[in-house]
Amino acid sequence: EIVLTQSPGTLSLSPGERATLSCRASQRVSSGYLAWYQQTPGQAPRLLIYGASNRATGIPDRFSGSGSGTDFTLTISRLEPEDFAVYYCHQYGSSPRTFGQGTKLEIK
Amino acid sequence: QVQLVQSGAEVKKPGASVKVSCKASGFPFSEYYMHWVRQAPGQGLEWIGIVNPSGSSTGYAQNFQGRVTMTRDRSTSTAYMELSSLRSDDTAVYYCARGFYYMDVWGKGTTVIVSS
Repeated sequence: EIVLTQSPGTLSLSPGERATLSCRASQRVSSGYLAWYQQTPGQAPRLLIYGASNRATGIPDRFSGSGSGTDFTLTISRLEPEDFAVYYCHQYGSSPRTFGQGTKLEIK
Repeated sequence: QVQLVQSGAEVKKPGASVKVSCKASGFPFSEYYMHWVRQAPGQGLEWIGIVNPSGSSTGYAQNFQGRVTMTRDRSTSTAYMELSSLRSDDTAVYYCARGFYYMDVWGKGTTVIVSS
C-alpha cells in the first residue's frame, strides 16, 4: 500500500499570499496518477487536479500541480478567501487507492 | 446536470448492516466506475472500494474485505454500498464518487451512526 504523507499539517497564510502544499509517497506513484481535492466544512471533496498537473473542469488557474515519482506539490498562486479549506492528495496508480491525511489551510 | 444523490442518514446498532444508495443523473451511468469513500468525524478520507460499470467486478480495501458489498442497478442508475457487522468506529460520512482513476463527481454524503 502506498502511504501518502502531506505537509505541513496546517498552513496559516493571508489572502493574496502564495500557498505551497506537499505530498510525499512511500513508493513511486505510477504514471503520475496523483490527484488533489479541496474540502470545505460540511461539503464533499472537490476535484482540483488530476494526473499530477491537470486542472479539473472549472478550476481557476491560480491552482497548479506539479511533481512526479514520489514528490508532488499543489500551489495556489494568490489565495482567495474561498481557498481556505482542507486539501487532500490521492494516488490512483495502484490498489488500494489511498489518500494523504490532509493539509488544513487556514487564515492567518 | 451531472449529480449523485445519496440516501438519507442512518442510525444503526452494533452488529447490524447498512445499505447506502447513490442515484446518478445527467451522465451515462452504465459507462462509469463508482467508488465509495468514507470520512470519520474530524478525520481524513478513507477509500472503501470500487465497482465496475456492469457491476460484475469489485475491488475492496483490505480493511473492509468480507464486510462490504458494492452493487449497482442499471435500470435505476443507482449504486449501492452495504456494510455489515457494524462497529462504533464505522460511524462516518459515506460518499459515492464517479470515476475509474480520479473521482470527478461526488455525492453529498450519507451519515451513518453506529450506536447502542
